[in-house]
Amino acid sequence: NAGVTQTPKFQVLKTGQSMTLQCAQDMNHNSMYWYRQDPGMGLRLIYYSASEGTTDKGEVPNGYNVSRLNKREFSLRLESAAPSQTSVYFCASGEGLYTDTQYFGPGTRLTVL
Amino acid sequence: QKEVEQDPGPLSVPEGAIVSLNCTYSNSAFQYFMWYRQYSRKGPELLMYTYSSGNKEDGRFTAQVDKSSKYISLFIRDSQPSDSATYLCASHGSQGAQKLVFGQGTRLTINP
Repeated sequence: NAGVTQTPKFQVLKTGQSMTLQCAQDMNHNSMYWYRQDPGMGLRLIYYSASEGTTDKGEVPNGYNVSRLNKREFSLRLESAAPSQTSVYFCASGEGLYTDTQYFGPGTRLTVL
Repeated sequence: QKEVEQDPGPLSVPEGAIVSLNCTYSNSAFQYFMWYRQYSRKGPELLMYTYSSGNKEDGRFTAQVDKSSKYISLFIRDSQPSDSATYLCASHGSQGAQKLVFGQGTRLTINP
């Protein structure tokens, strides 16, 4: 039981490049989330998926797109990376929007030059 | 103004001390309150969860919510070096976890 896994762990991009961050969970959870964590800002929600087949914007969605590929997988895409997107990205999953526990992955450290 | 405010610290205390970590929030609709612990270069993990006002105890940890003053606290008794981490408070209202708002996190170091 791996919990929530994320790939890659580290990535360096040049401005304008694109990439996809992958996330998978093996806990049969309905809800999945993408957060970014920046110094002094805490965690901020980028996008979430309440269930398979649905996605919605969070607090900071601009510059990102997501795909809920199936119940297990939720990917985050940066179409044209900008230095402001340098951050640590965390994927999380939970049984539902109204449950108390979100389980986080180990994070992806992204630097955009 | 951020909806959840937390002193980023850092906070450094000797082993065995009682630690008090605090947050304030501004949204009266918040009903669910959580504390997450995040070790260096790891993802956050849920430590404590409370609904509405009151206290909740789990081993050496006590979470306290005072909705009248919009104050959230986490107390750690008999602190251990393994408690050294960043602690994040978080809260949301009845709309659900998609509206979860995190504080900035407080970095705590317990010195042996």
